[in-house]
Amino acid sequence: GQSLEQPSEVTAVEGAIVQINCTYQTSGFYGLSWYQQHDGGAPTFLSYNALDGLEETGRFSSFLSRSDSYGYLLLQELQMKDSASYFCAVRDNNAGNMLTFGGGTRLMVKP
Amino acid sequence: NAGVMQNPRHLVRRRGQEARLRCSPMKGHSHVYWYRQLPEEGLKFMVYLQKENIIDESGMPKERFSAEFPKEGPSILRIQQVVRGDSAAYFCASSPIRTGGRHEQFFGPGTRLTVL
Repeated sequence: GQSLEQPSEVTAVEGAIVQINCTYQTSGFYGLSWYQQHDGGAPTFLSYNALDGLEETGRFSSFLSRSDSYGYLLLQELQMKDSASYFCAVRDNNAGNMLTFGGGTRLMVKP
Repeated sequence: NAGVMQNPRHLVRRRGQEARLRCSPMKGHSHVYWYRQLPEEGLKFMVYLQKENIIDESGMPKERFSAEFPKEGPSILRIQQVVRGDSAAYFCASSPIRTGGRHEQFFGPGTRLTVL
């Protein structure tokens, strides 16, 4: 079966750095994405890793290790507006872009 | 450029009624995906469509659920004879043919279905 594991909840303070881990077991693997979702809102794309290594986009970075079936999202200089749920998602089919999502990590940023 | 549009945003139905959820993809996008999200959970893939074709419906329940993406007009997710367990947020996402390597999906605001 397909499964993605990520912590259910993380709490951090403003200005800190937080890492959200994701391990996956899927029948196929073509890439790992990260999406952010605020309460009541739509998921929005943050990053995509198809190859091993670190991708940096501003305050957010995403890492992938295909041999370990593992990735993480790193958020630096946390701001209150970063309080949201973060989902890792695997693209497990090269015929389309369908995504298998993890259960999400709820990040709470405190002053 | 308008984003993905979904309507209605909120839908209330009684058990046994039909629910029709509409999704207009971003301009220029020909791929549409439907996902279901229960409270405090991740999104579950339901169906992937291109214009007039269902490409993958492996996540769709075998009964009562159907989806279409006609040549003209929005994509429709139809749930017949709704039951309380169908209460959820239903999100539509779209993507262009070429994603530039990011494989990004653009999500609509969702339709929150409540079955009484």
